[in-house]
Amino acid sequence: DTEVTQTPKHLVMGMTNKKSLKCEQHMGHRAMYWYKQKAKKPPELMFVYSYEKLSINESVPSRFSPECPNSSLLNLHLHALQPEDSALYLCASSQDRRAPARQETQYFGPGTRLLVL
Amino acid sequence: SQQGEEDPQALSIQEGENATMNCSYKTSINNLQWYRQNSGRGLVHLILIRSNEREKHSGRLRVTLDTSKKSSSLLITASRAADTASYFCATAPRSGGYQKVTFGTGTKLQVIP
Repeated sequence: DTEVTQTPKHLVMGMTNKKSLKCEQHMGHRAMYWYKQKAKKPPELMFVYSYEKLSINESVPSRFSPECPNSSLLNLHLHALQPEDSALYLCASSQDRRAPARQETQYFGPGTRLLVL
Repeated sequence: SQQGEEDPQALSIQEGENATMNCSYKTSINNLQWYRQNSGRGLVHLILIRSNEREKHSGRLRVTLDTSKKSSSLLITASRAADTASYFCATAPRSGGYQKVTFGTGTKLQVIP
């Protein structure tokens, strides 16, 4: 199983709503990532979890709150978002550094397209 | 300019032709990767080249890396309509860890049947 799944595929929310994006992988990967991608732009790294611990936060506003409940799951909790937060949110995973070659390769999910009204 | 710039921004070719896209980056890297993204979908890993490698092949893909010029190129030979997608290079800095990947600006490739 080399698949990363993300739910929901599409999400529309108001600026006062609270919602969550979910990501799951069953490849035994111990690093998981959230990216934000605006239209016609490259993905931008938001957060990295390594062994269920937050290892990288790219100065993301606190209205985005990541959570890694276990090694297979990654959530992104959304609260009080702004219209400019509308984007495609991508989840990815990769093996840990102690694995043999290809640990740097990231496997991406299909993304959640978020629209904030 | 940002880490990882690609050119051209857009490329349109006929099926069967070769497509070449280039990536430039700024910092010292551990490796450079190329990913493909079909419209509005997730990214798919194509190939990884390490900083001590100069050229790598995978099927119809050929990647070169010139660390002295901080540049890489991706060649797709005998293109097919299914190759239509956006292509991104991605670099991991030598310092800062392999997880801190930065994507280039991307090249949008259209292969006309």
